[in-house]
Formats: sequence, structure tokens, C-alpha cells
Amino acid sequence: GQNIDQPTEMTATEGAIVQINCTYQTSGFNGLFWYQQHAGEAPTFLSYNVLDGLEEKGRFSSFLSRSKGYSYLLLKELQMKDSASYLCAVFDSNYQLIWGAGTKLIIKP
Amino acid sequence: GAVVSQHPSRVICKSGTSVKIECRSLDFQATTMFWYRQFPKKSLMLMATSNEGSKATYEQGVEKDKFLINHASLTLSTLTVTSAHPEDSSFYICSARDVGGELNEQFFGPGTRLTVL
Repeated sequence: GQNIDQPTEMTATEGAIVQINCTYQTSGFNGLFWYQQHAGEAPTFLSYNVLDGLEEKGRFSSFLSRSKGYSYLLLKELQMKDSASYLCAVFDSNYQLIWGAGTKLIIKP
Repeated sequence: GAVVSQHPSRVICKSGTSVKIECRSLDFQATTMFWYRQFPKKSLMLMATSNEGSKATYEQGVEKDKFLINHASLTLSTLTVTSAHPEDSSFYICSARDVGGELNEQFFGPGTRLTVL
């Protein structure tokens, strides 16, 4: 079966750095996404990785290792507004998005 | 970026009634739209894939006679929850894939919160 694992919840301090991990087992791979979702709102796109390595975009970076079936989202200089759920999703061989359950990130002052 | 709208954003209805949710791509054409359902503290669950001009493809366990999907144009797909019951209360989100874009371009609507009393 297809499976995506990410921690249920994480807590971090304002101004700090946090890394949210995601591991996947899917039938084929055509890219991995990270989305941010605030409570009661739809997901918003953060990043897309299809090749191995680190993609940096401002305070957010995303890393992918296809051989390990592993990705992480790195958030720097955390702000209170970063409190949200972060969803990992993978395009399988049919370009169908397989979703993780999301990681709820709690930022404390 | 591309914009997808949903209407209504929030609806409360009585058990047994039907509710229609619209999903529109505002500035691009979408041959494919996706309908998701999300229960509290759970991830998105794909309900169906809606293709313009053809029948929708439903995921296993999703009743096609209860969740009617129509994708009549390249900018509009509708989801009708027929004879809604309290267990249908959920957050319904659509997304659209840009015809002219890369396969990885999928844009989400803001979601519709359905509460069935």
C-alpha cells in the first residue's frame, strides 16, 4: 500500500528553527509537496521537490532524498503566524496526490 | 498565481436536504478538478476526480449517488451532497489542475464548511 508518515505534532519557540520530517512509500514517485494549512482554511503551496537536494525559499527550505523515501521541511526564524499544520504529499506514478496526515506545529513565545 | 474559488464558504442545512458546492477556476482552464473531504485533525481525503465533459472517477468507499459531481465547463465543477446527514458534516475542498501548466500545478479553493443538523 501507499503510506506517508510525518509526526502528529511538534512544538517550537518563536525565533528558533524546526525540522518536520516526512517518509513515504508509494507506487512510483513524481515529486513531493509541502503545504501549509491554517485551521479552517485550505492548504497553501509551500514547495515542490522532484530531484534530490535542498530547495530554499526564504525562511522555508525543503529537502528530498528519493533513495531513502525521505523529505524534510525546515522553518527558520519561526514566527507566531507559522503555527499551522504542515502537510506532506507525494505524486505517485499516476500523478495522484497521496497525502500525509499532517504535522501540527505549535509556536510558543 | 492561479485562483480557485468555492461557493458557499459555509453552509448549514437540515438532515435530508441536498447541498451544492461550486468550484471555479477564475483565471485558468482546468480539465481536471479534485474534490477532497477533511475531517477535524485529519488529512485531506480524495473523494473524486472530476474531468470536464466526462464522468467523475470516485475513490473507493465514496458513494457516487450520494456525492454527485458535474464538470460541465473548463472553469466549473460542482459537488452535490444529496440527502445530507450529520456524518456528512465536514470541510470540503476542491483543487484544479491548470491545462496549460505543469502537472505539478494544482491550486486549491478556500474550502466549504458543511454542517448538517
